[in-house]
Amino acid sequence: DIRMTQSPASLSASLGETVNIECLASEDIYSDLAWYQQKPGKSPQLLIYNANSLQNGVPSRFSGSGSGTQYSLKINSLQSEDVATYFCQQYNNYPRTFGGGTKLELK
Amino acid sequence: QVTLKESGPGILQPSQTLSLTCSFSGFLLSASSVGVGWIRQPSGKGLEWLATIGWEDVKHYNPSLKSRLTISKDTSNNQVFLKITSVDTADTGTYYCAHSAGYYDGYDYFDYWGQGVMVTVSS
Repeated sequence: DIRMTQSPASLSASLGETVNIECLASEDIYSDLAWYQQKPGKSPQLLIYNANSLQNGVPSRFSGSGSGTQYSLKINSLQSEDVATYFCQQYNNYPRTFGGGTKLELK
Repeated sequence: QVTLKESGPGILQPSQTLSLTCSFSGFLLSASSVGVGWIRQPSGKGLEWLATIGWEDVKHYNPSLKSRLTISKDTSNNQVFLKITSVDTADTGTYYCAHSAGYYDGYDYFDYWGQGVMVTVSS
């Protein structure tokens, strides 16, 4: 199985700040990576697919980058509604696997 | 508008079989490349992909649970089912079904999710 390691596990940031979340794959996943946002008590929502493609309707302050085994999610100008847990998922190989999550809170 | 909704028994006892139903609208499972997957989440923990099914009855299972899982579909009634045999307390959590637009093409990420159904395994 491809192991997806997210860092940090938790993060505290201020409104307006830029936030970066990292996802490291145990092998090359050729940009077959998605990012999801999950707010408390809600289902995950797709933010980014193919490592850097923004899903329709997602604010442009979210962006994804990376290649090979290293990927990142960037949130520019943090808003209060961005408080959530973020997960990465690889779809290059079966079984599909998720990172452990990054919990983002406001400072 | 794509919507999915899960339903299940709520609570069941160890060793029983868990049966879940995903009822969906806004897309056809007979459409090329579309898939419906099941993902679960223990309370306060991460996400675990379980299985996905597509148009021509192509299926993929998570090998860690494969012997216990069966995914199936009723295309005419827009439903997908998941059965998990011999459940134990480790199967407690929220179960989601989700739409994948690119399943057949290998782009198996999930762009629409159901609200989830909570399942508790307890004696």
